[in-house]
Parts: sequence; C-alpha cells; structure tokens
Amino acid sequence: SQQGEEDPQALSIQEGENATMNCSYKTSINNLQWYRQNSGRGLVHLILIRSNEREKHSGRLRVTLDTSKKSSSLLITASRAADTASYFCATALGGTYKYIFGTGTRLKVLA
Amino acid sequence: DAGVIQSPRHEVTEMGQEVTLRCKPISGHNSLFWYRQTMMRGLELLIYFNNNVPIDDSGMPEDRFSAKMPNASFSTLKIQPSEPRDSAVYFCASTHPGGFGNQPQHFGDGTRLSIL
Repeated sequence: SQQGEEDPQALSIQEGENATMNCSYKTSINNLQWYRQNSGRGLVHLILIRSNEREKHSGRLRVTLDTSKKSSSLLITASRAADTASYFCATALGGTYKYIFGTGTRLKVLA
Repeated sequence: DAGVIQSPRHEVTEMGQEVTLRCKPISGHNSLFWYRQTMMRGLELLIYFNNNVPIDDSGMPEDRFSAKMPNASFSTLKIQPSEPRDSAVYFCASTHPGGFGNQPQHFGDGTRLSIL
C-alpha cells in the first residue's frame, strides 16, 4: 500500500465551514508536505512540517503532525468555493529524494 | 520566474506510436521528477534525476519507457511503443537544491496522454 494515505477520500462541505483531512504514513520521515491540485492542473505546494514540529500554520491552513502515530492532519478554516480541489500529503523516504504521495482527498466546497 | 513547463499539454496518438513528453524545470533547480497520475493508481513516481543524473528509475513500468536529462534545463520521457494502458496524465516536477525531501516540489501542468 502507499506510503501516504488520506482520509476521507472525498469531502463535501458548505462555504464557511472547516475542512479536515488526515494522512497516514508508514516509515520514518524528515518532514511531511501537503499539496493541492485543482482540476486539470499540476500540484501546488501548500505547507511543509518537519518531523520535530507538532503544528504549523499558514493563513487559513493548520497542519499537525504526530510522529508516534505516523499521521498528519490538514485543517482549512472558513472554507471558500475556491478551496475546491484534491489535497495530497507527501513524504520523502529517509535519505532519498524519493517523494511518495498519498491517495488524496477530494474536497468540494459548496457556495 | 517561469514555472515548470511541460509540452505538449495534450497528446492523442495511436497504439504503437512513439510518444515524447518534454519538460523544462525551473532555472536553478537541480532535481527533476517524472510522475504518472491515473484514477486507479494515483500519483506514481516514475524516475527522478539529481544534477542531470538518473538516481532512481524503479518506478518506470516497462522497458518501453525511457527518460533522459541531457542538461539542467531539459528532460524527456519517451514511450516506445505506446499502448492504451499508458493513457494517463504525466507530470514533471523540480526542486531547489536542499536536503533530502526538504524542498517543496514545483509541478508543471502535465501532459494528458491518450493512446487509442
């Protein structure tokens, strides 16, 4: 199975609500990254959290990391229709440049 | 600065034909990655280069696939001969020099490949 697996696979919420996505991984990591992909476009980097960090904020994004559980969560607060996209977590296998992406969460924000 | 540039954006060709996908990474980036994305398998890493040298090609599905990076500003992914199951979106990404996995990846907008 994949290094990173997100859940839920799909999420539909109303504009203004918060969206939470989770990611689990299998091996030890140096950091974990989250990406967004709009339909028909490439992935865009959102935020990177290092293994010695527990929480990180960037605008309306809040990422947590629990290395003991090998899991991370991405919270988008006050969601907007423009947040509609797929969200992926990614990790690099230790000591390599080999990035492994999760299966993604499809977020739909209804106006 | 210009982002990662991929060409063509769309390619439709018949089974058995040779397909060449092109990528221009961001200037100054020294790692380049080729991915394939499908609904069934998600985003798969095919191969990555560091300083123009292929480091890991274990994700290349078959000998029909080959990739080159003749210089720091250009890479190609070739499929010969192509088969319908190769239909997917192929992405190229590059990263700035830095520690292993410590750099964000910058993606192009992909090439949507359809093999008939």
